[in-house]
Amino acid sequence: DAGITQSPRYKITETGRQVTLMCHQTWSHSYMFWYRQDLGHGLRLIYYSAAADITDKGEVPDGYVVSRSKTENFPLTLESATRSQTSVYFCASSDRTGVSYEQYFGPGTRLTVT
Amino acid sequence: AQKVTQAQTEISVVEKEDVTLDCVYETRDTTYYLFWYKQPPSGELVFLIRRNSFDEQNEISGRYSWNFQKSTSSFNFTITASQVVDSAVYFCALSSYNQGGKLIFGQGTELSVKP
Repeated sequence: DAGITQSPRYKITETGRQVTLMCHQTWSHSYMFWYRQDLGHGLRLIYYSAAADITDKGEVPDGYVVSRSKTENFPLTLESATRSQTSVYFCASSDRTGVSYEQYFGPGTRLTVT
Repeated sequence: AQKVTQAQTEISVVEKEDVTLDCVYETRDTTYYLFWYKQPPSGELVFLIRRNSFDEQNEISGRYSWNFQKSTSSFNFTITASQVVDSAVYFCALSSYNQGGKLIFGQGTELSVKP
């Protein structure tokens, strides 16, 4: 019973490089989300997906790309990493519509862009 | 616009003290949900409670209790007889239908419980 997993857990990359963060859930939840956590900002939504092949922007989508070809996977790609994207990234999932259902979070990926 | 404010950035208490974490929200929607999450030092986010906008009954779960008051747009969280294991960052969050169910988080309150 893995639940929701993220990989890698830690990543150091250089400015300008492409980086992909992986998220996998085993519950077949319809909704999946990507957040970033920065000191003083709490968690901010980057992108979310209501189902396979359906994605939408959140509060801070610039510089990120997502895809969802399978229900269980929701990768987040930084096309050209910048230092401002140094952060902790959390993936989450939720059953049915996300309004009244709590989101379950993965363990997070700590990304450092040098 | 929707917003969640947790004015207390850090709180430090001594074990066995009671502590209240404040959460004030803003929304124009009539149907919404409020949540509290806990983030212990290990980093994961743990769901604690969900409350809908039509239910103002206070809730108690062990040492935890929540006070929801629509008149003041507040959803405060009280820990009674705090313990060192309660040390964590606590987030309040808001979700509504008109926002497509997206969670809006407060900035978090870091609680430190000292022995």
